[in-house]
Amino acid sequence: NAGVTQTPKFQVLKTGQSMTLQCAQDMNHNSMYWYRQDPGMGLRLIYYSASEGTTDKGEVPNGYNVSRLNKREFSLRLESAAPSQTSVYFCASRGGRGGGTGNTEAFFGQGTRLTVV
Amino acid sequence: GDSVTQMEGPVTLSEEAFLTINCTYTATGYPSLFWYVQYPGEGLQLLLKATKADDKGSNKGFEATYRKETTSFHLEKGSVQVSDSAVYFCALSEWGSNFGNEKLTFGTGTRLTIIP
Repeated sequence: NAGVTQTPKFQVLKTGQSMTLQCAQDMNHNSMYWYRQDPGMGLRLIYYSASEGTTDKGEVPNGYNVSRLNKREFSLRLESAAPSQTSVYFCASRGGRGGGTGNTEAFFGQGTRLTVV
Repeated sequence: GDSVTQMEGPVTLSEEAFLTINCTYTATGYPSLFWYVQYPGEGLQLLLKATKADDKGSNKGFEATYRKETTSFHLEKGSVQVSDSAVYFCALSEWGSNFGNEKLTFGTGTRLTIIP
């Protein structure tokens, strides 16, 4: 029972480097999310995808891009990392389908701790 | 837009004390409400939820009632244990959202520490 799998778990980048955070779920969920968690700020939504082929900006999308590769996978890319992107990143998925099933549980990955120096 | 306002932390209680963590929300439609818990070094996991007014969600001795008139979803537990030490997040999701609007919005989290 893998659930939501994120890779890598830890990463250190130099300012200006790029990287992609990977996320995959095996629960056949339509909706997937990327959040960042910072002290005192809670979880802030970066991007989400309500279904395969669609993505939408969340609260803090600047500096990030996403790809919903297929129903299982939703990746987050930092094209030119900045120290302000030092954070813990969480991927989540839920069974909501387009059309209003907003009462379903979200399942989270274990997180990626990213440090940009 | 939708938002969730949570009681500021951190909160420190003695074992067997009564717990309340306040949560209020702003939403344009008919949201579902959730409490998630995050144990150290882990991702979030669902603690309980309520999908309509006056519903009570409950799990592991925790409970919260969906109060539409006060737009609140306060978390309570009658007797906390050391194992309840964690960060608690209130969240909402709009019910009846249009296609492509499946946002799940979280509060800032409340860190709870229970001392023996």
